[in-house]
Amino acid sequence: GIQVEQSPPDLILQEGANSTLRCNFSDSVNNLQWFHQNPWGQLINLFYIPSGTKQNGRLSATTVATERYSLLYISSSQTTDSGVYFCAVNTDRIFGNEKLTFGTGTRLTIIP
Amino acid sequence: NAGVTQTPKFRVLKTGQSMTLLCAQDMNHEYMYWYRQDPGMGLRLIHYSVGEGTTAKGEVPDGYNVSRLKKQNFLLGLESAAPSQTSVYFCASSKKREANTDTQYFGPGTRLTVL
Repeated sequence: GIQVEQSPPDLILQEGANSTLRCNFSDSVNNLQWFHQNPWGQLINLFYIPSGTKQNGRLSATTVATERYSLLYISSSQTTDSGVYFCAVNTDRIFGNEKLTFGTGTRLTIIP
Repeated sequence: NAGVTQTPKFRVLKTGQSMTLLCAQDMNHEYMYWYRQDPGMGLRLIHYSVGEGTTAKGEVPDGYNVSRLKKQNFLLGLESAAPSQTSVYFCASSKKREANTDTQYFGPGTRLTVL
């Protein structure tokens, strides 16, 4: 099956800093999503981005499908950004098969 | 609009006991999923459903059964719990993939401990 690798595994930053999280995947994908899991365990979808670039406030994401990677940018970090960021992909082109394969995540800690 | 809800939030079982986790969504989504999350790992798909009355196996289906009798509900059953099933269980739902803007919405999770 597809391999999804995220880096770095852990990141500790001062409030106000910028960060870049990376997701590499081993096969072409038709669905790529970024999720944030907050310290209370809730998973929130950030972006659906199988290709191209999207922005939402201080967060933006870019997926270069031909080179099999995606980047999540967080600017002007806030303590509420702390948590684990997951990349998840789906490679199956059969309609109705929506299985996501998750990476192991990047744990981000923002220090006040 | 509650989104995706899960009951119970916490549960402790003894080895060999059975239980059912309930997932409900009020977004009229076609697809529903059950994942488990173990410490230091991403989520792994247990079973999923692409519509009422249908279910399919995911990555780690052994020891679990599911049912989707109603579109809004997806049940995950453990017939004979084992300590290896100690985990946090997440339910998710999504629309039918039409406009290629599909995303999965997650419930708050159920923390299960099997002694």
